[in-house]
Amino acid sequence: EIVLTQSPATLSLSPGERATLFCRASQTVSGYIAWFQQKPAQAPRLLIYDTSNRATGVPARFSGSVSGTDFILTISSLEPEDFAVYYCQQRSSWPSWTFGQGTKVEMK
Amino acid sequence: QVQLVESGGGVVQPGRSLRLSCAASGFSFNNYVMHWVRQAPGKGLEWVGTIWYDGSNKYYADSVRGRFTISRDNSKSTLYLEMNSLRADDTAVYYCARDLYRHSSSWCDYWGQGTLVTVSS
Repeated sequence: EIVLTQSPATLSLSPGERATLFCRASQTVSGYIAWFQQKPAQAPRLLIYDTSNRATGVPARFSGSVSGTDFILTISSLEPEDFAVYYCQQRSSWPSWTFGQGTKVEMK
Repeated sequence: QVQLVESGGGVVQPGRSLRLSCAASGFSFNNYVMHWVRQAPGKGLEWVGTIWYDGSNKYYADSVRGRFTISRDNSKSTLYLEMNSLRADDTAVYYCARDLYRHSSSWCDYWGQGTLVTVSS
């Protein structure tokens, strides 16, 4: 099973600041990484798929990239509605998907 | 617009069965692969299983294989999750989700609001 490790567990930032979230895979995932946002009592929302493609309706302040073995979700300037939990997911080992444990972006 | 509405959750005793439904609207249900994903209280997301757009292929997580069965009725635009031999660690919110692309499996782009299943005596 491919294990995804997200860091940090919690990110404390203020509105307007830049958020950088990391997701590292235990094996190669060939770019098949997505990012989801989840707010309390809501379903997850697809933000980024295939490392860097923004889903429909996702603001341009969200971007995905890769650096070495780290997949990165960047929120260029945090808006109040961006404070949430973020999960990465891989589909490289289809038909066995796995998710990371999540990073909580909280207001400082 | 795309809508997915789960139902059928509730409290069930260990070892018993439960069937969840997911009513879809706003898109051509028979063209899309569908998924079930669950989330235990206060925990992360766990993929449960996937069914092909025509029901021809089904895939399950190891944790549910042999106990859970996914099916669909394209004439009713409804997805199902039959859960047998339920255990305490099956307690979770269960989400149905539509795939991003037609006729293939990729990512979950639309999600229902979820239905809570609690397995407890």
